[in-house]
Amino acid sequence: GAGVSQSPSNKVTEKGKDVELRCDPISGHTALYWYRQSLGQGLEFLIYFQGNSAPDKSGLPSDRFSAERTGGSVSTLTIQRTQQEDSAVYLCASSTGDIGITIYFGEGSWLTVV
Amino acid sequence: GQQLNQSPQSMFIQEGEDVSMNCTSSSIFNTWLWYKQDPGEGPVLLIALYKAGELTSNGRLTAQFGITRKDSFLNISASIPSDVGIYFCAGHLNNAGNMLTFGGGTRLMVKP
Repeated sequence: GAGVSQSPSNKVTEKGKDVELRCDPISGHTALYWYRQSLGQGLEFLIYFQGNSAPDKSGLPSDRFSAERTGGSVSTLTIQRTQQEDSAVYLCASSTGDIGITIYFGEGSWLTVV
Repeated sequence: GQQLNQSPQSMFIQEGEDVSMNCTSSSIFNTWLWYKQDPGEGPVLLIALYKAGELTSNGRLTAQFGITRKDSFLNISASIPSDVGIYFCAGHLNNAGNMLTFGGGTRLMVKP
């Protein structure tokens, strides 16, 4: 597609439920990133994919968080047993992976855990 | 890992004023990027810098890649109300794969 597409754009869920967030990167982009942004805060790195593999999962905050990418394209970020502190905007980005890269962000998925 | 210090953290602007913000790092980067995030949106790329000393403009925005490779600044001339938002710097090191390091952001707000 023309840009990075994320869904859902907004999600309200009850504490303890599982949530899946989807990212569709720019066509042809091999690198895909997930970031988290709490209200008014900076960007917290979660995980990065090169193709279908994740060389860096160091930012995942706990084992309740997992992500996968299939076919070198769409990625899903799953949060199990959601907690209120998981409420944030989850931003996905993609890049071509070339030297001198620039990454392009989606509009984010706003998650509220009540 | 590398850290990026972005300052100021926030500032108020009055229409017509020039604005300046910067990022510094303890180690070098090969690429500097500047993004702007409007409320409720994802960050949007403003300017990309690829060479030490490079000075690049995009309309009223000017950014420079510091000669030491450890810093970058972004200037906004003659600010307008729609300049409000959060500005992020990001650095990339060639041997870091496809990872970017982001600064903490500079929030621009309009003076009441």
